[in-house]
Amino acid sequence: DAEITQSPRHKITETGRQVTLACHQTWNHNNMFWYRQDLGHGLRLIHYSYGVQDTNKGEVSDGYSVSRSNTEDLPLTLESAASSQTSVYFCASSDQGYSTDTQYFGPGTRLTVL
Amino acid sequence: GNSVTQMEGPVTLSEEAFLTINCTYTATGYPSLFWYVQYPGEGLQLLLKATKADDKGSNKGFEATYRKETTSFHLEKGSVQVSDSAVYFCALSDLGSGNTPLVFGKGTRLSVIA
Repeated sequence: DAEITQSPRHKITETGRQVTLACHQTWNHNNMFWYRQDLGHGLRLIHYSYGVQDTNKGEVSDGYSVSRSNTEDLPLTLESAASSQTSVYFCASSDQGYSTDTQYFGPGTRLTVL
Repeated sequence: GNSVTQMEGPVTLSEEAFLTINCTYTATGYPSLFWYVQYPGEGLQLLLKATKADDKGSNKGFEATYRKETTSFHLEKGSVQVSDSAVYFCALSDLGSGNTPLVFGKGTRLSVIA
């Protein structure tokens, strides 16, 4: 069955370190998204991509970067981790080039920055 | 800009009680509306959606009707079960603003007790 996976599921790192969170989908979806989930803020969009070599900034993109070199993967990099980036991160994907399509979410990565 | 406002939680109900979670939206174009559900320890999954005014989305006993006159998309269920305990997110996508990603509300936590 097609799926979307995230790794690692849990990560503890130190302030200032570079961290990369992986997202891999086997749906062959064009669109991929990264969100962070925090109490009181709900789900906020970090970056998104509508296809290979395409990336766009979301609502809270500062301190994060993504690159899309193939259809299946959209890794999220924290260039220099900060305590404010402690959060649960979700990756999602959807099929067509229309935002009305269903997004399929991964299980999440819980990141702690000490 | 586009936004979604949900009722504050948490909501605690007894099994078989009637559920309403309010959701109102602001959009510049003609949005599609969604309800996503997040069960404990999991990512979000689509519960139901409606793509035009007066449409009713339904799934697993949950319903929501797209009301353009009141800019609302309230989630209802006639008889909740313990297994419905989860966080519920209202979301919109507005093609009138271009192919922009989903905008989520902050989520409403529902706890159903036996």
